[in-house]
Amino acid sequence: DAKTTQPTSMDCAEGRAANLPCNHSTISGNEYVYWYRQIHSQGPQYIIHGLKNNETNEMASLIITEDRKSSTLILPHATLRDTAVYYCIVRAYLNTGTASKLTFGTGTRLQVTL
Amino acid sequence: EPEVTQTPSHQVTQMGQEVILRCVPISNHLYFYWYRQILGQKVEFLVSFYNNEISEKSEIFDDQFSVERPDGSNFTLKIRSTKLEDSAMYFCASSQGNTDTQYFGPGTRLTVL
Repeated sequence: DAKTTQPTSMDCAEGRAANLPCNHSTISGNEYVYWYRQIHSQGPQYIIHGLKNNETNEMASLIITEDRKSSTLILPHATLRDTAVYYCIVRAYLNTGTASKLTFGTGTRLQVTL
Repeated sequence: EPEVTQTPSHQVTQMGQEVILRCVPISNHLYFYWYRQILGQKVEFLVSFYNNEISEKSEIFDDQFSVERPDGSNFTLKIRSTKLEDSAMYFCASSQGNTDTQYFGPGTRLTVL
């Protein structure tokens, strides 16, 4: 799976949009971009994923550049409960039936403040 | 909304003892995973399981570890003889298909004394 690079930490004021960047310059055509977050020591929580089109769900939006070498996760109105470590993961889609594992990096620690 | 559950939430054991961590995956999911996270470190993949056999395992998953799906609902991770360095959070995850989104449980904190 391609390697990802994320800033170590970011701050965001409550109510503002949080924009979390991720570089994945070696991504290949069959690899998706996934975002998870981990609040304190809880289990990783799935946020969103995409291949090349921008995606939006009730939690966030995912913007993937046209060359697919980077992406941005957007939390439109951050709250204190969004304080967490956010992981950008590139994951290959395998058609062999083999389960495709997730490879976590160190992520971005987002601190939402009043 | 269906979710992955894990028991116990915290397990304390003596070094050398056997432990079994239990997970109930989401009911229509067919692929199951274990990950672990040592305090302050990354979440690491241990093993994936499908159709009653191991699909892939990491270097961490040595002979001390085993997984089993003893019935239609549980998925277990057994550590035969625990070591101090096995102290970690252990997360179970499941997915419907091999490339579908994985959903994680809340974790079991294992403390080996």
